[in-house]
Amino acid sequence: QKEVEQDPGPLSVPEGAIVSLNCTYSNSAFQYFMWYRQYSRKGPELLMYTYSSGNKEDGRFTAQVDKSSKYISLFIRDSQPSDSATYLCAMKANSKLTFGKGITLSVRP
Amino acid sequence: DAGVTQSPTHLIKTRGQQVTLRCSPKSGHDTVSWYQQALGQGPQFIFQYYEEEERQRGNFPDRFSGHQFPNYSSELNVNALLLGDSALYLCASSLWGTTNEKLFFGSGTQLSVL
Repeated sequence: QKEVEQDPGPLSVPEGAIVSLNCTYSNSAFQYFMWYRQYSRKGPELLMYTYSSGNKEDGRFTAQVDKSSKYISLFIRDSQPSDSATYLCAMKANSKLTFGKGITLSVRP
Repeated sequence: DAGVTQSPTHLIKTRGQQVTLRCSPKSGHDTVSWYQQALGQGPQFIFQYYEEEERQRGNFPDRFSGHQFPNYSSELNVNALLLGDSALYLCASSLWGTTNEKLFFGSGTQLSVL
């Protein structure tokens, strides 16, 4: 079993849809949870960062963490074509990040 | 405020050759980590440098080595290149010892091994 599992893609939604992206993990040592966005041939860009169970909101993005179930989610409201990218969940223990495989999202105009 | 910069952006090598990739961390950061991202996969941790020493290492062979300079910049060296080393190599910088340490990535070096 991989330490971090991310729902497979790709995912295609119409503009304005609510998008839900999910990851599960097995390592209880993970203390910090992140979502990165990666455009083609670019480095990952930090979108959301959280360390406690619950929800964290930033504009159209909401990160949700459930440590008891070892499950994290990213919700995107009112999705835009500019949100089309690969989304990577990442989890940190001892300064080392472990990433999910990533899911490619396409938002259709 | 300059972000993380990497050079070169693209590189083509042949099997058996050696390669050196370079990274300058974000201003104010003192820690550099290197990641390998194969096509269609998430980045995999190679190693981390702080105070010019390797602090952590992922599951990569000794062909992968690194260095950090007094100005916090870093190099990744790969010897005896294999076809499977073809990937996007990412550098990430952070500030050592901060509770909510955040890693910021450069745009990467795309390495192709023929």
